[in-house]
Amino acid sequence: GAVVSQHPSRVICKSGTSVKIECRSLDFQATTMFWYRQFPKQSLMLMATSNEGSKATYEQGVEKDKFLINHASLTLSTLTVTSAHPEDSSFYICSAKPTGNGNTIYFGEGSWLTVV
Amino acid sequence: GQSLEQPSEVTAVEGAIVQINCTYQTSGFYGLSWYQQHDGGAPTFLSYNALDGLEETGRFSSFLSRSDSYGYLLLQELQMKDSASYFCAALLYNQGGKLIFGQGTELSVKP
Repeated sequence: GAVVSQHPSRVICKSGTSVKIECRSLDFQATTMFWYRQFPKQSLMLMATSNEGSKATYEQGVEKDKFLINHASLTLSTLTVTSAHPEDSSFYICSAKPTGNGNTIYFGEGSWLTVV
Repeated sequence: GQSLEQPSEVTAVEGAIVQINCTYQTSGFYGLSWYQQHDGGAPTFLSYNALDGLEETGRFSSFLSRSDSYGYLLLQELQMKDSASYFCAALLYNQGGKLIFGQGTELSVKP
């Protein structure tokens, strides 16, 4: 079946540094991918919609200069957390829907970010 | 705004049946999905309803009533491994797969 891969699965970074998380659709093309953030014991909160070849659309309250999203190809979107702070520590998950037919959404495995 | 309401927690015993309700208030609603998430893991797709009625997939069934903006997930023959968080999520129309999630229901299955 369709697979969405995220990398890295876990990352620890120092405060003030930047970290990049990749989301790849392995066997389908996705014009649109989505990035979610989930704090412990809370729901998945949509951060932004990643659009291939154009700017991402950010949800209200999400800083676009802090969470940089690049969707350079139909199979890859990246989320870069810039100038990370401990409060950015969270579980980041991407999702993608194959371009074309169907309404099945595929999620990546998620990436645990810890900022120390 | 967009919101989905579901109970925060439910407890049941092995072998029992449990129903997790979800009411939604969204614009551009297209369908209702259900996801299971174990601690530390990614959400796993369980079921999707685009039309009113019941969808059955093994031990899990999901129901949708568009007129009532309501749906539920029914879990039968509960097993210990079903202990997890369950999220309802609204798929929004024509937005390429955008999902808005409820707050999640933590299900605890007791022996």
